[in-house]
Amino acid sequence: EADIYQTPRYLVIGTGKKITLECSQTMGHDKMYWYQQDPGMELHLIHYSYGVNSTEKGDLSSESTVSRIRTEHFPLTLESARPSHTSQYLCASRGGFVNTIYFGEGSWLTVV
Amino acid sequence: GENVEQHPSTLSVQEGDSAVIKCTYSDSASNYFPWYKQELGKRPQLIIDIRSNVGEKKDQRIAVTLNKTAKHFSLHITETQPEDSAVYFCAAGTPNFGNEKLTFGTGTRLTIIP
Repeated sequence: EADIYQTPRYLVIGTGKKITLECSQTMGHDKMYWYQQDPGMELHLIHYSYGVNSTEKGDLSSESTVSRIRTEHFPLTLESARPSHTSQYLCASRGGFVNTIYFGEGSWLTVV
Repeated sequence: GENVEQHPSTLSVQEGDSAVIKCTYSDSASNYFPWYKQELGKRPQLIIDIRSNVGEKKDQRIAVTLNKTAKHFSLHITETQPEDSAVYFCAAGTPNFGNEKLTFGTGTRLTIIP
């Protein structure tokens, strides 16, 4: 089934650790996004990509980085996690006839 | 860039009554307006969308209206049920090539009172 898959779903890590949140989509979409969201709050765009080798920073400044080496894969990396990075990270993709955004199930990150 | 304002931020409605959530946008070039529903602990999911060549769209108990002149659009939920309780997000954007970002509103937490 075409979907957007995120791993890990839940993660607790210590301050200063490096973490990569994985996102893969089987939707065949060119455009992919990362949003940061505190529970039930606003969706903040932190990174987006229009295709392979394309990455742009979003509206909310983030210390994370992304890469887009394959169409279906859009990982997000935090080199040195801090408690302020504690949040939910939602990966999304867009394309097809409807051309709306579809979200993954999210990765809940807690930095202690 | 686009700016989307959404009101109210919280809304409590008696079961069976109607709920209305309103959004305004700033960029007259925006021509695509989706609405997302996010239940507690789950991902936002598209529930209905409208394009600027249409003034109203309905899907069972959910309807969306668009006023391009005033640059505002609204979500209407009739005969509300407990499962309608969620956070709702509006968004505005251009569906075609160019500015590919959808700009989201700040969300409305809808609570249906049994």
